[in-house]
This record gives sequence, C-alpha cells and structure tokens, in this order.
Amino acid sequence: EVQLLESGGGLVQPGGSLRLSCAASGFTFSSYAMSWVRQAPGKGLEWVSAISGSGATTYFGDSVKGRFTISRDNSKNTLFLQMHNMRAEDTAIYYCATGLRGAFDHWGQGTLATVSS
Amino acid sequence: DIQMTQSPSSLSASVGDRVTITCRASQVIGGYLAWYQQIPGTVPKLLIYAASTLQSGVPSRFSGSGSGTDFTLTINSLQAEDVATYYCQKYNSAPLTFGGGTKVEIK
Repeated sequence: EVQLLESGGGLVQPGGSLRLSCAASGFTFSSYAMSWVRQAPGKGLEWVSAISGSGATTYFGDSVKGRFTISRDNSKNTLFLQMHNMRAEDTAIYYCATGLRGAFDHWGQGTLATVSS
Repeated sequence: DIQMTQSPSSLSASVGDRVTITCRASQVIGGYLAWYQQIPGTVPKLLIYAASTLQSGVPSRFSGSGSGTDFTLTINSLQAEDVATYYCQKYNSAPLTFGGGTKVEIK
C-alpha cells in the first residue's frame, strides 16, 4: 500500500524558513516524480513544485520560484521542500503527491505551515 | 504559462440531477487532464485522468470528456455524498496547474 507521510510544518515568522519532509513507502520511490501541492485556508489547490525520479530535474510555480527548493533522498525514500523567505501567503496545508501516469493518485495527509508574527 | 479556467465556480443541484463542470485550458494540452474531488476536511482524490479514464474504484456516474483545450466532468445522477469541490489539473508539463475549483452542493 502506497503511503505518503508529511512532517515539518509549524509556525514561522515572516522571512523565516521551514523544511518539510515526505516519507514514502509501498512503491519504488526512485521511479516516480514527486510533487508538492498546497492549499491555503479556504482556498483551492496550488501546485508548488515537482522533482523527477532521479532528482536531476526540478520545477517550481512562479509564486515560490527563487524562495523554495525541492530535493529527494532516494536511499531514504524521502522528499523535501525547503522554504525560505516565507510570506503570509505561504500559509497553507502542504501535501506531497505522486502518480504513475502523471496525475496524482496518491496524496499524503498534509502538514500545515503557518507564517505569522 | 497555461491557465486552467473552471466554470461554474459553484452550483447547487438536486439529488438525481445530471451535473456538468467545464474546464478550459488557455493552450492545447492534449489529453493530459485530470479531475479531483475534495470532500470538505479530506485529502483530494483522483477521479479521472487522461481526460476520460475513470480511476479505479470511482463510481461510474462520474465521467470525463474533451481534448485539446476544452474538457468536461459529468456526474450522472448526483448523490448526497458527491458534495465536494472539484478541480481540474493539467499535467502535460510543468507548471502542473489546477483550475480554481467548482463547489457542488445539494439543493
């Protein structure tokens, strides 16, 4: 059974940093591209970032480009999202997600990041 | 970047009604279109991928159609458990943009 378990969320001040993790199990982690998707309180889904299975290629949404980095440790089946220079508008539940065919058929439960002074 | 526009943003229908949600891409995306259902307080769930392929375990009253830039999600015979927000998403290439969502309620 595929499982994705996010961690690392919490309260951070504006301008601060936070590192999210997503522990994966139940599938060949290194074979799958992985993404981060976020959802601000009461708002819709926003794709944030993606990384190829090898980790060689990364992609970012315009709202986080230059502030967030994505990485993975295939030896530990773990995905990361490093967030710097955080803003109030980064407050959201952050989900890791993946899927064999490109669409996201597996999602974690999410971790909440709150940016506030 | 390609924009994904859903309509309507919300709708109210009766149990048993046929419900149609549309999603328009600002450029051609082929068939790389997915639909998700998010019931309040839960994680999004994949309903349809490749524009019209039903994900395993999803009730057959859900169907998808379209290609190129215009896509449709149809719920035949709306049920009470279908109250949710529905999102489309392009996944042909990054950014993997979601539509703004359509909130479906029971009248």
